Amino acid sequence: NAGVTQTPKFQVLKTGQSMTLQCAQDMNHEYMSWYRQDPGMGLRLIHYSVGAGITDQGEVPNGYNVSRSTTEDFPLRLLSAAPSQTSVYFCASSRHLKRSYEQYFGPGTRLTVT
Amino acid sequence: AQRVTQPEKLLSVFKGAPVELKCNYSYSGSPELFWYVQYSRQRLQLLLRHISRESIKGFTADLNKGETSFHLKKPFAQEEDSAMYYCALRWGSGGSNYKLTFGKGTLLTVNP
Repeated sequence: NAGVTQTPKFQVLKTGQSMTLQCAQDMNHEYMSWYRQDPGMGLRLIHYSVGAGITDQGEVPNGYNVSRSTTEDFPLRLLSAAPSQTSVYFCASSRHLKRSYEQYFGPGTRLTVT
Repeated sequence: AQRVTQPEKLLSVFKGAPVELKCNYSYSGSPELFWYVQYSRQRLQLLLRHISRESIKGFTADLNKGETSFHLKKPFAQEEDSAMYYCALRWGSGGSNYKLTFGKGTLLTVNP
């Protein structure tokens, strides 16, 4: 049971490049989400999904796309990277948020956009 | 709009001293609150949730709806408590449409 996995751990992009951050969980969780962590800003929700085929925007969705074709995977796509997207990105999953279930976090991806 | 405020970015105490990390929230619905912790080089993990009324690693937190607060307390801090602490609020409009909003975090340092 690997929990929540994220790849890559580190990435450097140039402005305008695109890439996909991968996230997978093996706990059969319905709910998955992406956060970005910036100094002094805490964690901010980018996108979330309540099940396969269902996604919705969080607090800071601009510049990011997601899809959820399977229960296990929830990739985050940066369409055209900008320096403002330099951040640490965390993926999380939980059974669902109807109740106070724990969210399990991945190890994070540290992204630098130059 | 829902909001979580952690007024202290940094908190430094000595080992054995009491510690209190403050969290205030703003939400018109029925709140559910959590404390998450991130130790150095480790993943963010759940510390405790108000609905469980539990004590984890000596930490407790009581939801005070009158003061809209969920402060985290420990009577005797240990060096291994040094970490970043986030308060989080679960909110939503019903069905499956729930989200977590996090505060900006408090970095706790426990000095020997």
